[in-house]
Amino acid sequence: GDSVTQMEGPVTLSEEAFLTINCTYTATGYPSLFWYVQYPGEGLQLLLKATKADDKGSNKGFEATYRKETTSFHLEKGSVQVSDSAVYFCALSDRSGNTGKLIFGQGTTLQVKP
Amino acid sequence: GAGVSQSPRYKVAKRGQDVALRCDPISGHVSLFWYQQALGQGPEFLTYFQNEAQLDKSGLPSDRFFAERPEGSVSTLKIQRTQQEDSAVYLCASSFVTGGNTEAFFGQGTRLTVV
Repeated sequence: GDSVTQMEGPVTLSEEAFLTINCTYTATGYPSLFWYVQYPGEGLQLLLKATKADDKGSNKGFEATYRKETTSFHLEKGSVQVSDSAVYFCALSDRSGNTGKLIFGQGTTLQVKP
Repeated sequence: GAGVSQSPRYKVAKRGQDVALRCDPISGHVSLFWYQQALGQGPEFLTYFQNEAQLDKSGLPSDRFFAERPEGSVSTLKIQRTQQEDSAVYLCASSFVTGGNTEAFFGQGTRLTVV
C-alpha cells in the first residue's frame, strides 16, 4: 500500500540555520503531497502542499518541490527561527479514491535553539 | 465554530470500559475523518464520512470501534471494551469538499489513556 517515510528526528538547529527534512513516498496512484505542522499544544495545521509533479509548495519561508522521478517531497527553509520548533509531518493523499484521506509519515521533531 | 472542536480533550478509561469521543467539524464541511495517533507516530486513518454516509471504514482496527455522523455534522467515535492498546490521541479532521487536493482542518485531539 501507499506509504510515507520521513527522516528520523529530533533535528536540533541554531537560529538562522538551514533546514532540510527529507520525505519520500510510495504510491500506486498519482498523489497530492502535503506538509503538516504541529506546534506544541496545538492541532495539526497544513503548512504547504503540491498537487502535481514539479509543483513547489511554499508558506512562511518553507518550501517543498514535488519530485516524481525521485518520489520525494523534501521540506526546506533557508533560515529557521525559534518559533519554528514543532513536529513536522509529511503526508500524501491518493486521489484515486477521491476521499482525501491522508497517509502520514512518522513525524520529525524540530528544535531550534536561540 | 471557528475550528474543529473535539471533546473531551483527555479521557482516562479502565480496561473494559466503553468510551465515546465527540467531534464538531467546521460548519458546512462535507468531509470528516478520524485518525489515531500513537505516541511518537504519525496519524493513521480510521474512517471517513461524506455528510452522513460512512464511505470508508477500512482503518478501524477491530469491531470494537464504531463511528457515526447521523445528521452530517457532529460525529462520535465509540470504542467498546477498551484495551490498553487503544491508548492514543484520536484526531478528527474536516474539509469543505471531497477529494485529495483539499486542505483538512484538524482538531486538537482527544488523548485516551486506558489503565
